[in-house]
Amino acid sequence: EPEVTQTPSHQVTQMGQEVILRCVPISNHLYFYWYRQILGQKVEFLVSFYNNEISEKSEIFDDQFSVERPDGSNFTLKIRSTKLEDSAMYFCASRGTSVNTGELFFGEGSRLTVL
Amino acid sequence: SQQGEEDPQALSIQEGENATMNCSYKTSINNLQWYRQNSGRGLVHLILIRSNEREKHSGRLRVTLDTSKKSSSLLITASRAADTASYFCATGFQGGSEKLVFGKGTKLTVNP
Repeated sequence: EPEVTQTPSHQVTQMGQEVILRCVPISNHLYFYWYRQILGQKVEFLVSFYNNEISEKSEIFDDQFSVERPDGSNFTLKIRSTKLEDSAMYFCASRGTSVNTGELFFGEGSRLTVL
Repeated sequence: SQQGEEDPQALSIQEGENATMNCSYKTSINNLQWYRQNSGRGLVHLILIRSNEREKHSGRLRVTLDTSKKSSSLLITASRAADTASYFCATGFQGGSEKLVFGKGTKLTVNP
């Protein structure tokens, strides 16, 4: 069964460092997302991406964050200068082509620890 | 803002019993979805119910939606120890928005 894959599974970084989280969405999907979940809290929407551009972003997704689809398969989330409060599990998700299909397929997540 | 909130926050039952989780939200929705998350893992889609539907079944899962009360329930029948996980409702795709808004989840423990 096709799945969304994310790397790395866990990254530890120092405050102020740049981090890139990588995702390979399901191959025929066109809608891509990043969500995050701080330990013990809700899953929060960060950004959606369609047709090679951001279609929607939350207030969390400030200038420190960026997304990119550098080739036909990868979808990346970059945090330019990490803060302690960026420590969370980051989930990539993708959605099929039908506008009536709301189901998201999530990856297993990348746990980011900022020290 | 639309927001799914589940209750109870935690539920502990014996294997074979039914588990019911509830979700309330605040604004009009296009659809409501339920996801499951095993500890430390990704979210797995369980079922989607559209705003014009009232009930939907999938295997041992039964979801209801009451748009007048802005609430939904997820029923898991004949629970198994493997059903132990957190369950989240998510509302979404209203007014052209791409985002899903997740609730805090119900942590279900099924004791063997």
